[in-house]
Amino acid sequence: EDKVVQSPLSLVVHEGDTVTLNCSYEVTNFRSLLWYKQEKKAPTFLFMLTSSGIEKKSGRLSSILDKKELFSILNITATQTGDSAVYLCAVERTSGTYKYIFGTGTRLKVLA
Amino acid sequence: KAGVTQTPRYLIKTRGQQVTLSCSPISGHRSVSWYQQTPGQGLQFLFEYFSETQRNKGNFPGRFSGRQFSNSRSEMNVSTLELGDSALYLCASSRDSFNEKLFFGSGTQLSVL
Repeated sequence: EDKVVQSPLSLVVHEGDTVTLNCSYEVTNFRSLLWYKQEKKAPTFLFMLTSSGIEKKSGRLSSILDKKELFSILNITATQTGDSAVYLCAVERTSGTYKYIFGTGTRLKVLA
Repeated sequence: KAGVTQTPRYLIKTRGQQVTLSCSPISGHRSVSWYQQTPGQGLQFLFEYFSETQRNKGNFPGRFSGRQFSNSRSEMNVSTLELGDSALYLCASSRDSFNEKLFFGSGTQLSVL
């Protein structure tokens, strides 16, 4: 059965810390991997990764995909309280009933 | 460009009732999908509509149904509500081509008492 697993489930850090969120997957017909940030209700898009080994970067956030080992990481450096959110990982498939399979998310809380 | 709009934002219903949720996608987006989110369960896929046709359906009972109109707006209906249906229902739209990201609405928080 296809699945996406995120770890840790939750994390509490202090401002200025660096965090690494993990997403591993076992999915047939892989097309891309996406990261979303969910602060209140609507998940907002962060990154889409399709090629292995190429880092995507946006400010203090960066992400990389390893298609051989079937995982991705999301790094956040110099964390701020505004980074507190649930971070969702999703895998897009080329075919199948579930075009997008989501992980359960990592809940990050950044303390001032 | 307006985002994905979901109405209502909050709903309180009692067991046995039915409910209809609405979703207006981003202009030009023809694919609309629905997800149920409960604590600890992540986003569970309900169904996807494209050009007024249900293209995919997740593993939910027949009490969950939906439809899409010619303007791409979509509605989701849940009949005979159960306590376990309490959840955040998210709608997402996309342009339906390869490597396209989903754009989410703010969701409808449904509480079943």
